[in-house]
Amino acid sequence: GEDVEQSLFLSVREGDSSVINCTYTDSSSTYLYWYKQEPGAGLQLLTYIFSNMDMKQDQRLTVLLNKKDKHLSLRIADTQTGDSAIYFCALSPTGNQFYFGTGTSLTVIP
Amino acid sequence: DTGVSQDPRHKITKRGQNVTFRCDPISEHNRLYWYRQTLGQGPEFLTYFQNEAQLEKSRLLSDRFSAERPKGSFSTLEIQRTEQGDSAMYLCASSLLAGRSWYTQYFGPGTRLTVL
Repeated sequence: GEDVEQSLFLSVREGDSSVINCTYTDSSSTYLYWYKQEPGAGLQLLTYIFSNMDMKQDQRLTVLLNKKDKHLSLRIADTQTGDSAIYFCALSPTGNQFYFGTGTSLTVIP
Repeated sequence: DTGVSQDPRHKITKRGQNVTFRCDPISEHNRLYWYRQTLGQGPEFLTYFQNEAQLEKSRLLSDRFSAERPKGSFSTLEIQRTEQGDSAMYLCASSLLAGRSWYTQYFGPGTRLTVL
């Protein structure tokens, strides 16, 4: 299977940028995702990137993929208190089975 | 359609009892996935269906677990002879295998199981 690692906690001040990092082991992962989970809720897909891309920008979100280092990151610009949640990266080599990281708990300080 | 729904949202049971969870995917979604999530961890893949066919099962899915999707719409996940280690959030997700959208999974709110 795929090992997907994330740092557990991140704390930022409101208005600053947040960068959440993810490393993985299987270089064949074709589809890479970022999900957000708020307390008591299911996972919400934020954005995704294909392995043939290096960067994807979607409003306040920027995804960077470094295939050489097997590193995926999510940057949230102008972080708001409503962004406080747990963020998961997820990978899928084939689109059939999905591997999730342990999640990064983002706390936004007003 | 408002999304993936799961029932019940919470289940408390005694060790040794059987439990069954239901998932209703987004209508016309032909793929349905089950995951288990324990506290402080990401979701772990259990199994997935394409229409009514169960195509893949994780090693995590012991013999006490069984999943069905009889008509290719809703799915059930049954756990027999529950153990305390089964306590977790059970998540369902669905996706549409068509065009370029098949890789996007939509998750339900989950069923939280507590085994006493």
